[in-house]
Amino acid sequence: NAGVTQTPKFQVLKTGQSMTLQCAQDMNHNSMYWYRQDPGMGLRLIYYSASEGTTDKGEVPNGYNVSRLNKREFSLRLESAAPSQTSVYFCASSNLGGGYGYTFGSGTRLTVV
Amino acid sequence: DAKTTQPNSMESNEEEPVHLPCNHSTISGTDYIHWYRQLPSQGPEYVIHGLTSNVNNRMASLAIAEDRKSSTLILHRATLRDAAVYYCILRDYGGATNKLIFGTGTLLAVQP
Repeated sequence: NAGVTQTPKFQVLKTGQSMTLQCAQDMNHNSMYWYRQDPGMGLRLIYYSASEGTTDKGEVPNGYNVSRLNKREFSLRLESAAPSQTSVYFCASSNLGGGYGYTFGSGTRLTVV
Repeated sequence: DAKTTQPNSMESNEEEPVHLPCNHSTISGTDYIHWYRQLPSQGPEYVIHGLTSNVNNRMASLAIAEDRKSSTLILHRATLRDAAVYYCILRDYGGATNKLIFGTGTLLAVQP
């Protein structure tokens, strides 16, 4: 049981380059989320998808776009990477409802130079 | 979103119980109390959650105050592997999104 799988695990980009972070879950969860974590900080929500076909902005959406490709997959795109987007990115999934926990992926460490 | 307050850091000795406190004085009646932990260089890991009653699972126990304005995560016998950042988060039962908003958590150090 893979849970939440993120690819790639590491990436170095030059300023202005674009890339897509991939996330897939195999738990049949309705909701998926993208977070970023800067050194020494807590996680901040970038975008989320409460259910297939819907996406909404979180706390820090600027500079990012997302696509909920199907129920399993939720991708995060950086159109023009900036050094301020250097961070560790975590994808998570859950069912809707406060009684359900989140499952997180192992993260993508992104450096923008 | 209702906020939580946790101590920045705590220390414990190995094989002793650890009580991690969390205050959530603005909690609403539909908020679940969730706890997650993040080991070094890993993603957060679900620990436990509850609504009104105390909860136990294989990882920990959650004690919820009668007025629900505070809670305590209890690790019964701390091990070195329990050294992590612990996050207390409220998750609305009926919200359309139920998104988790993380604070800065409590950094738990476990001494051998």
